[in-house]
Amino acid sequence: EDKVVQSPLSLVVHEGDTVTLNCSYEVTNFRSLLWYKQEKKAPTFLFMLTSSGIEKKSGRLSSILDKKELFSILNITATQTGDSAVYLCAVYTGSARQLTFGSGTQLTVLP
Amino acid sequence: NAGVTQTPKFQVLKTGQSMTLQCAQDMNHNSMYWYRQDPGMGLRLIYYSASEGTTDKGEVPNGYNVSRLNKREFSLRLESAAPSQTSVYFCASKDGYIQYFGAGTRLSVL
Repeated sequence: EDKVVQSPLSLVVHEGDTVTLNCSYEVTNFRSLLWYKQEKKAPTFLFMLTSSGIEKKSGRLSSILDKKELFSILNITATQTGDSAVYLCAVYTGSARQLTFGSGTQLTVLP
Repeated sequence: NAGVTQTPKFQVLKTGQSMTLQCAQDMNHNSMYWYRQDPGMGLRLIYYSASEGTTDKGEVPNGYNVSRLNKREFSLRLESAAPSQTSVYFCASKDGYIQYFGAGTRLSVL
C-alpha cells in the first residue's frame, strides 16, 4: 500500500521565522511529488518535483526532492501571516492517474 | 475564468436521504476526480474519471456512485447518506500532472 507521511502535523511560528516541512513516501513506481497549499477552501498548487536534487523556487518558498532517501522538504523563509495554511504533499505512482496525499501540516504564523 | 465549480457549497442531510454533488470544469481537461477530506486524514480519492465515458474506483468508493455526464461535468451521488459520510468533498480536474480543485462542498449527515 502506498504511503505518504508528513511531519510535523502542526507548527506555530512567528512572522519572520524560517520553517521546513517534511514529506516522506513509501510507494511503488514513483512518478512525481506535488506540494499544495490549502487555506480555507480549495488546495492550490505550489510545486511539482520529479528529479532528485533540483530545487524548485517561488519567492520565499522552495522545495527539493531526494529520491534515494524518499523524501521532500518545503522551505518557507521570512514567514508572513498569509502563509498560515495546511500544506499538503502528494505522490503520483505508476500511470500517474491517482494522487496519494499525506495528512498535511498545519502551519500557523503569528504576528 | 471559473475553473472548477462545485455545487452546493453546504448541505445538511438526514440519514438515509440521497443527494447529488455537482462538479463542472471549463478548462477542457480529460481527467476529473472526487475526494473527501476528513480532519487529520488529508484527501482520499473516492472515484475518478480518466476521460469522458470512463470511471474508476479510488481508495474509498463504498456508498458513492459517480456519473461522467460529458467532458465538463462529473457528479457524485450518495444514494442513502450515513453519518460516516459527513465530510468536505472536493472535485478536481487534471492538466498533465497538476490537479485543480473546486472550493468544496461541506456535507453534514445527521
